[in-house]
This record gives sequence, structure tokens and C-alpha cells, in this order.
Amino acid sequence: KAGVTQTPRYLIKTRGQQVTLSCSPISGHRSVSWYQQTPGQGLQFLFEYFSETQRNKGNFPGRFSGRQFSNSRSEMNVSTLELGDSALYLCASSLDGQRNTIYFGEGSWLTVV
Amino acid sequence: KNEVEQSPQNLTAQEGEFITINCSYSVGISALHWLQQHPGGGIVSLFMLSSGKKKHGRLIATINIQEKHSSLHITASHPRDSAVYICAVRNFGNEKLTFGTGTRLTIIP
Repeated sequence: KAGVTQTPRYLIKTRGQQVTLSCSPISGHRSVSWYQQTPGQGLQFLFEYFSETQRNKGNFPGRFSGRQFSNSRSEMNVSTLELGDSALYLCASSLDGQRNTIYFGEGSWLTVV
Repeated sequence: KNEVEQSPQNLTAQEGEFITINCSYSVGISALHWLQQHPGGGIVSLFMLSSGKKKHGRLIATINIQEKHSSLHITASHPRDSAVYICAVRNFGNEKLTFGTGTRLTIIP
């Protein structure tokens, strides 16, 4: 079965712009979570969605937001981009997110210039 | 102090050696994950543990809940095992995932 699919894989944005990243989970998975990975901070949890509801949120400013659709696909949005938002953004899905194996997508590489 | 500490940060070994990567955490957890990340970014989940020991092929993961410690072992290491290994804990209560900084493993042929 198809894995977790993230689009786009690579993108370059200018400071002040906004960006939307998309994630299609494995079929049947209802939990989608998002992570930011940078060389300085490592992997950090952004938020988790389950059945279209945000179930958990990490310590990121309100410029970072997300949503989940009825088909479990998820998007995350970053507004007013800053240079420090340059990172690999990873999406992961699992059956219910709590006690199940998590499956990661290949990630979206965002560069802010 | 980070909630999740991994050691060593970097490890270089010869092919065939037995490898151990350690993870210590300071919070109550409901589960611990071992992840593998190859160059290019993709992350693969190796194990999810809440107690005891799990084995998959040449990989073994153990966890001691009382001591808040987990180890990942690789037997008969191979150059294809070269990757970054990341420990992540799911906090008991809020169920958020917190990650260690990773161990960069290089296996030399």
C-alpha cells in the first residue's frame, strides 16, 4: 500500500510570504502529525490531528497552523515566513497516533531567502 | 537538561562490530520509538516499545522503565546501517513526541 506522501518536496520562498504543505497519510490512518527538523534544534513536534481535530500542539508561534480534512489528508501553513523557518518539514501518520507505529513521509524541504 | 538524551552523538565502527546506542529520558512515557534517518531525510520507524525487548533481524531494542533508559543494538553491523538513529518518547499524559538529538552511525567496510 502507498506510504505517506508529502508535497511539494522542495520549495524556496521569500521572507514574509506564506507557504502551504500537504500530506496524504496511509490509507486507513486517522492520525497525522507534523514535525520540523533543523540542524540546530533537531526534530520538533508541531501538531497532531485526529479525525479533523487538532489533538496536540507543540511550542511554535501562531504563524504555524494546520488542518485535517475528512479524508484524513492534512495541510500545514506557515505565514509571514522568517529565515529561521528554513527546515525539513515531516509529516507522519498512524492508525490513531497514541500507541501505534508512526510512518513518516519523505518531507518537504523549505528554504526561506 | 533535555528531556531525551542520546549517546554517543557520533559513532564510527568497522563492519561486523556490535553496536549499542543509548537513550535516557527524564519524563514519564507511554511509549518509546527508535527511528532511523538516512541522508536525504526519510525517517523509518524501527521499534516502538513500552516494556521489555523487541528484535527485528539484526536489530534489538530494550527498555528499562524504572531506570528511564533504552538501548538499540545492532549485531553484525553493515555499511548499509550507516544512518542517524533517533530516540523519541511519547509523554505520558499529553502524548506529545519528544526527540533525542540523534546518533550518527558510520560503518566502515
